[in-house]
Amino acid sequence: NAGVMQNPRHLVRRRGQEARLRCSPMKGHSHVYWYRQLPEEGLKFMVYLQKENIIDESGMPKERFSAEFPKEGPSILRIQQVVRGDSAAYFCASSPGIGQGARNYGYTFGSGTRLTVV
Amino acid sequence: AQSVTQLDSQVPVFEEAPVELRCNYSSSVSVYLFWYVQYPNQGLQLLLKYLSGSTLVESINGFEAEFNKSQTSFHLRKPSVHISDTAEYFCAAAGGTSYGKLTFGQGTILTVHP
Repeated sequence: NAGVMQNPRHLVRRRGQEARLRCSPMKGHSHVYWYRQLPEEGLKFMVYLQKENIIDESGMPKERFSAEFPKEGPSILRIQQVVRGDSAAYFCASSPGIGQGARNYGYTFGSGTRLTVV
Repeated sequence: AQSVTQLDSQVPVFEEAPVELRCNYSSSVSVYLFWYVQYPNQGLQLLLKYLSGSTLVESINGFEAEFNKSQTSFHLRKPSVHISDTAEYFCAAAGGTSYGKLTFGQGTILTVHP
């Protein structure tokens, strides 16, 4: 059981470039959550996805950020035209089912992608 | 909206001393509570969780937390800490209409000194 896999571990982008962060959930998990951890702050919820569906994107910035979880392949968090304020650690978590799954088992977190915008 | 408050941003203690990391939550409906630990430059590891049943929950490495509904608290305790417990600890809550979304506290940095 490989757990939640995130890549890359570290990502450096120049201002204006695009950043793509990938997350492969645990085997058997069909729900993915993205969180952002800014320096000196706790984790903030961004988006909750099922396969091919966005369930809750209330934490996503309105512009430049998007997320998907296709039928095949990992979940992708995309940040277009990055700015210095996007520098943060981005964590992905997965759970085995809608609502109750997370409550019953807890989330399993990946090791995160640390994005640095220069 | 649900909120989680960790009352101490930093807690320094000496090795083998007891420690308590405080967490309060606000919710008017059933809530599920978690403690996660994060070591430097690593992801979050689940330490323990309260879903239902006994209000005292324990982890395998000596931590325990008690769910107190009247005080809306879920404080984390350990009777004797080790240097290896140095890390950042996050309290989190899920429940109500927020499906599986976790709301995190700001984190408490526990530093254990020799």
